[in-house]
Amino acid sequence: QKEVEQNSGPLSVPEGAIASLNCTYSDRGSQSFFWYRQYSGKSPELIMSIYSNGDKEDGRFTAQLNKASQYVSLLIRDSQPSDSATYLCAVNGANDYKLSFGAGTTVTVRA
Amino acid sequence: KAGVTQTPRYLIKTRGQQVTLSCSPISGHRSVSWYQQTPGQGLQFLFEYFSETQRNKGNFPGRFSGRQFSNSRSEMNVSTLELGDSALYLCASRDGLAGNTEAFFGQGTRLTVV
Repeated sequence: QKEVEQNSGPLSVPEGAIASLNCTYSDRGSQSFFWYRQYSGKSPELIMSIYSNGDKEDGRFTAQLNKASQYVSLLIRDSQPSDSATYLCAVNGANDYKLSFGAGTTVTVRA
Repeated sequence: KAGVTQTPRYLIKTRGQQVTLSCSPISGHRSVSWYQQTPGQGLQFLFEYFSETQRNKGNFPGRFSGRQFSNSRSEMNVSTLELGDSALYLCASRDGLAGNTEAFFGQGTRLTVV
């Protein structure tokens, strides 16, 4: 079982719609969770961090965490063409400082 | 505040050669992690250094090694290069004192092995 798994893409959404990205993790004791955005040919850029169960909103982005279900999600509201990128879920290990990444979900926002 | 700096940005090496990549973290950050990114495998963790000590290690062969200096700058070395080592190598900088601190990436070094 992979440490971090993301829903397979690619995900295509119309401009203005909500893009929903999902991530599950295997280490039950993990406490820190992150979402990165990576444009083609660029390095990953941190867009959200979440540590407690529930929702965390930052602009058009909302991260949701459910530790009991070992599930993290990212919602992108009012999707824009500039949101077209690969989104990476990252989870910090419970007993170490290793940050593990999912394979990523590629989102395309069509105008 | 300066970001994470990786040098060089691009490298072309011949199979069998060795290569050294450099990463300067954000000022005040003591943790540097290295990742290999390929289209087929995604972001694979190589190792992490904190205060000049290797704190974590991924599942890569011994040809991949690293070190960290007292100013927190880190280098990664790959010996006896193979074609499959062609990838984007990324380093991530974080405070490192606790496990929940955010990591910030450099621009990466694109290594091509021919």
